[in-house]
Amino acid sequence: EAGVAQSPRYKIIEKRQSVAFWCNPISGHATLYWYQQILGQGPKLLIQFQNNGVVDDSQLPKDRFSAERLKGVDSTLKIQPAKLEDSAVYLCASSFSRGPSGREKLFFGSGTQLSVL
Amino acid sequence: DQQVKQNSPSLSVQEGRISILNCDYTNSMFDYFLWYKKYPAEGPTFLISISSIKDKNEDGRFTVFLNKSAKHLSLHIVPSQPGDSAVYFCAASNQAGTALIFGKGTTLSVSS
Repeated sequence: EAGVAQSPRYKIIEKRQSVAFWCNPISGHATLYWYQQILGQGPKLLIQFQNNGVVDDSQLPKDRFSAERLKGVDSTLKIQPAKLEDSAVYLCASSFSRGPSGREKLFFGSGTQLSVL
Repeated sequence: DQQVKQNSPSLSVQEGRISILNCDYTNSMFDYFLWYKKYPAEGPTFLISISSIKDKNEDGRFTVFLNKSAKHLSLHIVPSQPGDSAVYFCAASNQAGTALIFGKGTTLSVSS
């Protein structure tokens, strides 16, 4: 079974530039998550989708971050413009659950390491 | 405000001994807890979980204990192996089914 695919693996940009990350979840997984992991911290949820609808985006900095999952499958996360504090690993995860989440285990991709200079 | 706390950033153990990783939580609504393991340059992988209706769950060398009154859980690895060296994250969710909330992680080093 193929895992969660993410690209790119690494990205280096200058502050105020824009960047986009892509995620393809495990086939059949209805729920998709984007997490941000800053060095020395645990993963922090940015946004949760169920199919192509947003379940929770309360911690997404909406002035600069946006995410979409148009066909209920793959997803993109965009940052525009980037700030120095956005340097982190961006993790995509998926789970099978089609109802309220939290009881299903999450499967994570390898992440995108973003460095903002 | 951290709802899931892993107060030990690191732990060093000798091969064959027991590793005990601890996690505390503040939200009494949490009722499902998981441990994830993360190797460098990889995403976290699921290790073991426990529901609040249990106080212990075992899977091979890994056992998770839950003390609801103390809002504390621990992961025991017996015997520890060098391949267990990784960052271990404790995570929790509540009855509303929100996404997992993670602790900061504990780096385990198992020496041979």
